[in-house]
Amino acid sequence: DIQMTQSPSSLSASVGDRVTITCRAGQSISYYLNWYQQRPGKAPRLLIYATSNLQSGVPSRFSGSGSGTDFTLTISSLQPEDFATYYCQQSYSTPPNTFGGGTKVEIK
Amino acid sequence: QVQLVESGGGLVKPGGSLRLSCEASGFFFRDYYMTWIRQAPGKGLEWVAYISSSGTIPYYADSVKGRFTISRDNAENSLYLQMNGLRAEDTAVYYCARDGGATTKDAYDIWGQGTGVTVSS
Repeated sequence: DIQMTQSPSSLSASVGDRVTITCRAGQSISYYLNWYQQRPGKAPRLLIYATSNLQSGVPSRFSGSGSGTDFTLTISSLQPEDFATYYCQQSYSTPPNTFGGGTKVEIK
Repeated sequence: QVQLVESGGGLVKPGGSLRLSCEASGFFFRDYYMTWIRQAPGKGLEWVAYISSSGTIPYYADSVKGRFTISRDNAENSLYLQMNGLRAEDTAVYYCARDGGATTKDAYDIWGQGTGVTVSS
C-alpha cells in the first residue's frame, strides 16, 4: 500500500491568510493526487483531483500543485467557511486508495 | 440531483451483523465503480471496499477482508455492505462514494451523508 503523509496535522490561521498544506507519497504517484475538504459533522467533498484540477463549484482560491511524491494544497485567502479538515488521497495504485492523516485548519 | 443516501447503520453487539445500503440517484449508477469509506470517531478516512461497475470485481481493505461483503444491484441503483463478525474497531461513520472514473482520475466525486455504526455490548 502507498503511504500518504500530510503536514502539518493542524494549523491555526486567520481569515485572509494564505495557507499551504503538504502531502507526501511513499512512492511516486505521478499526478494521481486528490484533495478533499471535510467540515465538522459533514461528509467529505472533493476539492481538487489529479493534482491541480478544481472540481466543479470549488472556489478559485483553492489550488493544487506537485508531482511524483510531493504535493501542495494552497488556499490563497482563507475564508470563514474554509475552516475544516483537509485530506489528500492517492488514486495511482488502487486498491486501496489511501488517504493522508488529515490537516485540521483552525481559527487563530 | 446527483446524490447518494446511506441507511442501515445502528448499534450492534460484538460479533453481530449489519447491512448498509446506499441508494443512488441523478446519474447512471451502472456506469461507475462505487466505494465504501469509513471514519472512526475523531479519526481520519479509511478506505473499506470497492466494487466494479458490473459488480463482478470487489476489493477489500485487509482490516475487513473475510468479514465484509460489498455488492450492488444496478437495477435498483443500490450499493450494499454486508458486515459480519463486527468488532469494536469497526465503530465508525460509513460513507458510500462514487469513483469518478476517467473524468476525475478515480477521485471520489460524490459522497453520501454517512451512516453511523456502533459496535458495543
